[in-house]
Amino acid sequence: DTAVSQTPKYLVTQMGNDKSIKCEQNLGHDTMYWYKQDSKKFLKIMFSYNNKELIINETVPNRFSPKSPDKAHLNLHINSLELGDSAVYFCASSQDTSFQETQYFGPGTRLLVL
Amino acid sequence: DQQVKQNSPSLSVQEGRISILNCDYTNSMFDYFLWYKKYPAEGPTFLISISSIKDKNEDGRFTVFLNKSAKHLSLHIVPSQPGDSAVYFCAASGGGTYKYIFGTGTRLKVLA
Repeated sequence: DTAVSQTPKYLVTQMGNDKSIKCEQNLGHDTMYWYKQDSKKFLKIMFSYNNKELIINETVPNRFSPKSPDKAHLNLHINSLELGDSAVYFCASSQDTSFQETQYFGPGTRLLVL
Repeated sequence: DQQVKQNSPSLSVQEGRISILNCDYTNSMFDYFLWYKKYPAEGPTFLISISSIKDKNEDGRFTVFLNKSAKHLSLHIVPSQPGDSAVYFCAASGGGTYKYIFGTGTRLKVLA
């Protein structure tokens, strides 16, 4: 039974479109994250939610909007997609916001913007 | 500004020998360090961690060493196995934030 799952696994779309990526965790964790891994393989945090509240918002364009309907879900909506948004997006979760809590990652969503 | 660096993009090691993966950091406020392993088309999986109050942590074949004065950590895998072939990321956090800062990864290939 997958702990952190993401859908879709692959997403190919045209510039200017709006798309969403969904994430669900069944670990009972309070904190969830979105990371972006770009072409240079940097894995960088974008957002973090704790108990449905936004607690980290890195310098990310406004076109990216996370939504957490409940503790087990953190979705990422992207408006007006650009070529530079092509990357692998990983969702992760941890028990809470303690810095020593291990983060568990989903399998990633490979987004390609044409 | 890359606060966590893995200067070796790749490493090849014979099966049974030791693999040593290195990581350097610049922020002296970091006080918790982790290693993640990543297979192709999968997410990173947690391997081992170390707090700054220690200089060594061991878990089976995996040992992480921390040298705070040099701002350097390393992961030792002994003995290396073909199944260890993956990309290894080091990460750091601390200084009042639980945000992980990742390095760019080292691709380890263990040759049978």
